[in-house]
Amino acid sequence: SQTIHQWPATLVQPVGSPLSLECTVEGTSNPNLYWYRQAAGRGLQLLFYSVGIGQISSEVPQNLSASRPQDRQFILSSKKLLLSDSGFYLCAWEGGAGELFFGEGSRLTVL
Amino acid sequence: GDSVTQMEGPVTLSEEAFLTINCTYTATGYPSLFWYVQYPGEGLQLLLKATKADDKGSNKGFEATYRKETTSFHLEKGSVQVSDSAVYFCALRIAGGTSYGKLTFGQGTILTVHP
Repeated sequence: SQTIHQWPATLVQPVGSPLSLECTVEGTSNPNLYWYRQAAGRGLQLLFYSVGIGQISSEVPQNLSASRPQDRQFILSSKKLLLSDSGFYLCAWEGGAGELFFGEGSRLTVL
Repeated sequence: GDSVTQMEGPVTLSEEAFLTINCTYTATGYPSLFWYVQYPGEGLQLLLKATKADDKGSNKGFEATYRKETTSFHLEKGSVQVSDSAVYFCALRIAGGTSYGKLTFGQGTILTVHP
């Protein structure tokens, strides 16, 4: 069966520091992958999606970037974090009926 | 553009009460519809789905029917439990075009069930 993992689960970073969040999927090949951010207040914002290695689409101009170095690996990065980057980051892969299956999430606090 | 509107909440119920969380949508095409649940500190879990009009999705005692005529996908459960306390999200997906593969989410509804 398919599984998805994100790490780290929690991190606290100072403003201006770099960021790397990783997401891996097991049990499927060539999945469509997504990064969402959930800020306080519950709403989910699509940040990036990828349909294959090296193929990244950005939904919102921001301080973040994404990369897909391998088929089942999706990385969210920043060179210099801002306070507004705080939030709960969710990685997801897309199933056959268009549903998304989410990872456990990574909670980022920027101080 | 495509959008999803859920009842604001929070919703507070006693155990064994009947639950309805309203969800309506606006879409330019023919969407697939989903309900997700998020327990505290966790990611979202797919609760149920419906891919065409009049389909009924069901799981764990929850049900929702895809109503094209009213553009709705209301979530219902006949008898809630304390363990159902969570945030519930309605979502839609339009396949193809510029909305390729992307889910549009409602704002979420907080449900609290008391013993």
